[in-house]
Amino acid sequence: DTAVSQTPKYLVTQMGNDKSIKCEQNLGHDTMYWYKQDSKKFLKIMFSYNNKELIINETVPNRFSPKSPDKAHLNLHINSLELGDSAVYFCASSQRTGVYGYTFGSGTRLTVV
Amino acid sequence: AQSVTQLGSHVSVSEGALVLLRCNYSSSVPPYLFWYVQYPNQGLQLLLKYTSAATLVKGINGFEAEFKKSETSFHLTKPSAHMSDAAEYFCAVSDRGSNDYKLSFGAGTTVTVRA
Repeated sequence: DTAVSQTPKYLVTQMGNDKSIKCEQNLGHDTMYWYKQDSKKFLKIMFSYNNKELIINETVPNRFSPKSPDKAHLNLHINSLELGDSAVYFCASSQRTGVYGYTFGSGTRLTVV
Repeated sequence: AQSVTQLGSHVSVSEGALVLLRCNYSSSVPPYLFWYVQYPNQGLQLLLKYTSAATLVKGINGFEAEFKKSETSFHLTKPSAHMSDAAEYFCAVSDRGSNDYKLSFGAGTTVTVRA
């Protein structure tokens, strides 16, 4: 009954590979997000979707492509992985107004070797 | 765009001592303000939020924060630190009335608690 669940929790892959991270929320929230946390713990938003519509698309390489099949799911696909993509990726969700803050998943630690 | 500054990337306190983490925002219009905590190898957990009701906000685990418009600050405090408070703390801000509900985070403050 986890509120925001991400899979996998750990992902180790070689440079040049393509990988996906999946996220699901059972809170009934309208909006979902992907954040990247780098090695210095800095959190930066990548994308957000509201009811399957892309709302935020920060300056992220186009090797990163989010997909939202419905408002409870937001997946992140990464093509041609690079060493610099190594980070922890967090999925989050919120009510439309954002007043209540976000609920975060437990993160996916991606290591590119 | 909104931004937050957390003063002090690392705070070390003795068990039982006051914890004070500083956060300042940059905006002429008070935004929504949040404090999150991240324990090692875990996601972020909401500690408390300010959304324009009382300026003194109480959160979980004995933490509270005070919104001061004149100082554009939202500092987090806990009267008596516990070993379990060792974690990374993030201040975050969201524009009122924005249509993207984006949460922007400060750089974080690492709290260590000495026995």
